[in-house]
Amino acid sequence: DAMVIQNPRYQVTQFGKPVTLSCSQTLNHNVMYWYQQKSSQAPKLLFHYYDKDFNNEADTPDNFQSRRPNTSFCFLDIRSPGLGDTAMYLCATSRDRGRGGNQPQHFGDGTRLSIL
Amino acid sequence: DQQVKQNSPSLSVQEGRISILNCDYTNSMFDYFLWYKKYPAEGPTFLISISSIKDKNEDGRFTVFLNKSAKHLSLHIVPSQPGDSAVYFCAAGGTSYGKLTFGQGTILTVHP
Repeated sequence: DAMVIQNPRYQVTQFGKPVTLSCSQTLNHNVMYWYQQKSSQAPKLLFHYYDKDFNNEADTPDNFQSRRPNTSFCFLDIRSPGLGDTAMYLCATSRDRGRGGNQPQHFGDGTRLSIL
Repeated sequence: DQQVKQNSPSLSVQEGRISILNCDYTNSMFDYFLWYKKYPAEGPTFLISISSIKDKNEDGRFTVFLNKSAKHLSLHIVPSQPGDSAVYFCAAGGTSYGKLTFGQGTILTVHP
């Protein structure tokens, strides 16, 4: 089945120690997104790639970076994680971007990140 | 500033009855709305959507209603089944390319 796969499912890391989360997709979609979801809150868009074009949300901390080396893979790098970065991180894809949000996004199962 | 709000954290319904999940938004620039369903330990799954040019969209047991003047949308599930028990998120798009703004979610429990 075509899928969005996130690795690892669970990640525990120390305060200040860089961490990388991985997302891969077999849907051959043009757009890949990263969301942060803290407990009992709405998923919040961090950034997205439209093909190779990187789009950062204005309120995404500088500590968060992303790489998309090819169509299939996208990485989320947190350079110096703080305790407040403990959250679920969701990767999603869509075939195209669409102005009106009329391109349903397909989500992976997420990586639960804990900063100690 | 939360632009998409789901004011009911949870909803409990008997199997076979109607489930109504509500969502309010504040940004009049939103022009497309989506509902996602999320089971524990899984990512959200797209359920149904509606464009702002419509006031109703139906897909099997699921119907979404949009009231633009009230900036309100709702998801109706009829009849409700135990397998519908999940967290339901509403989301809105249209303010910028690719961006969806999500509500906090409503936990639906359907009792047999």
